Amino acid sequence: AQSVTQLGSHVSVSEGALVLLRCNYSSSVPPYLFWYVQYPNQGLQLLLKYTTGATLVKGINGFEAEFKKSETSFHLTKPSAHMSDAAEYFCAVSDRSNYQLIWGAGTKLIIKP
Amino acid sequence: DGGITQSPKYLFRKEGQNVTLSCEQNLNHDAMYWYRQDPGQGLRLIYYSQIVNDFQKGDIAEGYSVSREKKESFPLTVTSAQKNPTAFYLCASSMGLAAETQYFGPGTRLLVL
Repeated sequence: AQSVTQLGSHVSVSEGALVLLRCNYSSSVPPYLFWYVQYPNQGLQLLLKYTTGATLVKGINGFEAEFKKSETSFHLTKPSAHMSDAAEYFCAVSDRSNYQLIWGAGTKLIIKP
Repeated sequence: DGGITQSPKYLFRKEGQNVTLSCEQNLNHDAMYWYRQDPGQGLRLIYYSQIVNDFQKGDIAEGYSVSREKKESFPLTVTSAQKNPTAFYLCASSMGLAAETQYFGPGTRLLVL
């Protein structure tokens, strides 16, 4: 069965510092991978996704993620954190035969001034 | 302006009462989903529907019911059998293919009186 692990329920970084949010998955087939962002008391919004092709995926708000098959990882990064990045981030995976998503538990990103 | 609407934003349920959460989309999406979100647990799938008049149980369907009489609408009823209904409920829709993005509504917060 597929599963998604997000390391760290809370990650704190200083404004201007590198953001790194970790996501590892288990899947018997190459999956589709997604990162979503949720601001307080709102729905989720897609940041980026990997389906096929280039393994480095660029998303909105300056975020990017790299699919590493050998490490079964899809970590999310941003070179320089901004106060507006404070939110909860969810990694999700689907196998190619099923459009349902399996969700990680989420990582709350805290930005220190 | 295309999107997903959920109502109400807040809903209060009394003991033994059934309540219905509304979800409407004008994205012409085939698939619709209901998720429950509890702190630290990510999103858990309650029900999903791929086409009109058809829906499938997700991981935590007990105590919930749905209908899909129109493509645009996918209401969720929280029945009195759901003993711990306090949560944030999110509705989503997609084209129904594995690589497709799920688009989310703003959510309904259900509280028990």
